[in-house]
Amino acid sequence: EIVLTQSPGTLSLSPGERATLSCRASQSVSSTSLGWYRQKPGQAPRLLIYGASSRATGIPDRFSGTGSGTDFTLTISRLEPEDFAVYYCQQYGTSPFTFGGGTKVEIK
Amino acid sequence: QVQLVQSGAEVKKPGASVKVSCKASGYTFTRNAMHWVRQAPGQRLEWMGWINAGNGNTKYSQKFQGRVTITRDTSASTVYMELTSLGSEDTAVYYCARGGDCSGGSCLSKNWFDPWGQGTLVTVSS
Repeated sequence: EIVLTQSPGTLSLSPGERATLSCRASQSVSSTSLGWYRQKPGQAPRLLIYGASSRATGIPDRFSGTGSGTDFTLTISRLEPEDFAVYYCQQYGTSPFTFGGGTKVEIK
Repeated sequence: QVQLVQSGAEVKKPGASVKVSCKASGYTFTRNAMHWVRQAPGQRLEWMGWINAGNGNTKYSQKFQGRVTITRDTSASTVYMELTSLGSEDTAVYYCARGGDCSGGSCLSKNWFDPWGQGTLVTVSS
């Protein structure tokens, strides 16, 4: 199974700052099969990015995704209050479809 | 709009089974796969299995093979996930999520998970 490792585990930032989240895969992942999700406390995850770099419907352009092979990045250009949450990367191209351990973005 | 609505919270005793439902609306139910994912307290998201809502074919994570069964009722646009032989380690929130387009056969096209149901808390306690 493809193991996804996210770093850092926790990111402490202030509103308006830039957040850079990393996701590393144990083997190569097709760029078409890498997604990012945001999970607010007590809520279900919500798709932010699919295909490594495409924003899902309704997702603002402060969210961007890059990467290929085994290294992927989610960038939030300017943190808004609703962005303080946990973020997960996922590969959905090879069963079992696996998730990273998450990065918590907290208010500094 | 596309929406997935899950059944309510459950409390079960060890050794029992639980069946969670997920009713879909706002799209052609039989066109897509449906996944089940669970999240134990403080843990990462864990994929359990999926069903091709069109033909009923399923595939399960090896971890849950033999204990999980995913079915669907096309007349009700509803997918079910049954988990047997429950233990305390099965206490978790269980989510359904719409997956890929199955019209080409494999369901791997556009297989990102979107949207998700609201989640169903299953508590296993004696």
